[in-house]
Amino acid sequence: GQQVMQIPQYQHVQEGEDFTTYCNSSTTLSNIQWYKQRPGGHPVFLIQLVKSGEVKKQKRLTFQFGEAKKNSSLHITATQTTDVGTYFCAGNNAGNNRKLIWGLGTSLAVNP
Amino acid sequence: DAGITQSPRHKVTETGTPVTLRCHQTENHRYMYWYRQDPGHGLRLIHYSYGVKDTDKGEVSDGYSVSRSKTEDFLLTLESATSSQTSVYFCASGQDYIQYFGAGTRLSVL
Repeated sequence: GQQVMQIPQYQHVQEGEDFTTYCNSSTTLSNIQWYKQRPGGHPVFLIQLVKSGEVKKQKRLTFQFGEAKKNSSLHITATQTTDVGTYFCAGNNAGNNRKLIWGLGTSLAVNP
Repeated sequence: DAGITQSPRHKVTETGTPVTLRCHQTENHRYMYWYRQDPGHGLRLIHYSYGVKDTDKGEVSDGYSVSRSKTEDFLLTLESATSSQTSVYFCASGQDYIQYFGAGTRLSVL
């Protein structure tokens, strides 16, 4: 079946270092989304990417969607302790189906 | 955050008892979802709804049923709870592909 692989599973950084998580889909996606879940919290929508090669920025966060629409990345510049949490990617493979295919998430820990 | 409310927030129950979790949204979203989240498994879809009385199974639907009699309410029922259903349950709603999550229900089945 369709899968979205997300790496790494865990990442531990010093505050101020950069962080990147990657998603790879086994099939072409119509769109991909990124969510953040703080420890003990619920997933919160961050951004959606739709176009091939699309790049979007939110302050220190940069999101990319691959040219083939099968991979995506989230890059955080100069991490802060507020970035701690699990980052999930979730994709959809078009059609009227509104189900998302979720990656397992990357848990980010930031040492102050 | 979107207006997604889950109840109860915590529940402890015994094996074999029925359990109903409630999700209420005030966004008039067409789509609603029930997920469970377990360590190492991420978010797994149990059931989802694409309209009133329109529901479909997700990847881990065995042992669960759902009902949606109104746009704003989506109920998840464990007909006979088992210990393997101990988990954190999240409800979400959405209009397009974006999903907005409730705060979750932590369920323990003893």
